Amino acid sequence: EAQVTQNPRYLITVTGKKLTVTCSQNMNHEYMSWYRQDPGLGLRQIYYSMNVEVTDKGDVPEGYKVSRKEKRNFPLILESPSPNQTSLYFCASNSRLTGTTYNEQFFGPGTRLTVL
Amino acid sequence: QKEVEQDPGPLSVPEGAIVSLNCTYSNSAFQYFMWYRQYSRKGPELLMYTYSSGNKEDGRFTAQVDKSSKYISLFIRDSQPSDSATYLCAIPKAAGNKLTFGGGTRVLVKP
Repeated sequence: EAQVTQNPRYLITVTGKKLTVTCSQNMNHEYMSWYRQDPGLGLRQIYYSMNVEVTDKGDVPEGYKVSRKEKRNFPLILESPSPNQTSLYFCASNSRLTGTTYNEQFFGPGTRLTVL
Repeated sequence: QKEVEQDPGPLSVPEGAIVSLNCTYSNSAFQYFMWYRQYSRKGPELLMYTYSSGNKEDGRFTAQVDKSSKYISLFIRDSQPSDSATYLCAIPKAAGNKLTFGGGTRVLVKP
């Protein structure tokens, strides 16, 4: 089954304790992204990656790191989490654009993070 | 001004009613317009997308774009309780990979 998986689905942690949220896709997609979703603000892109070893900042990158060492994996790293990073996080992937066709982004099930 | 704005709702309608959702956007250069549906505790999934102006129909769903007023709409005919979800409009930026979302409208269809 084609899917994007994230782990963990729920995480409660304390300020300053480094954490990693994993993301994996089995569709051989070039593009992968991380979003956070907050009430009233919708989904905002944190980082995205166009291919292995190629990443770029989205709209809200402060406090986050990413890496793309393999095509299928795109982990999100919070080196020193703070309470304002309490949010619902989604990983997404899509294939390379061709011509004028927009290719659908496929989202994972989400990771609910609480930073105390 | 946000690039994409959407009324947060919630919007509560009786089963069988027409649901009307809309977004406004600020950049006239945008060409693709998308609607994602998000059920509770799930990730968003693409419902429909349109290119440039006009209407697009898919079963009970119709997406409409008015580029002159920078206004996009989604209509759900004969709404069902299973349509209860949050609907998010989204616009891809020039690079294509970056989606800018509206805040989402929560819809509740009551039996």
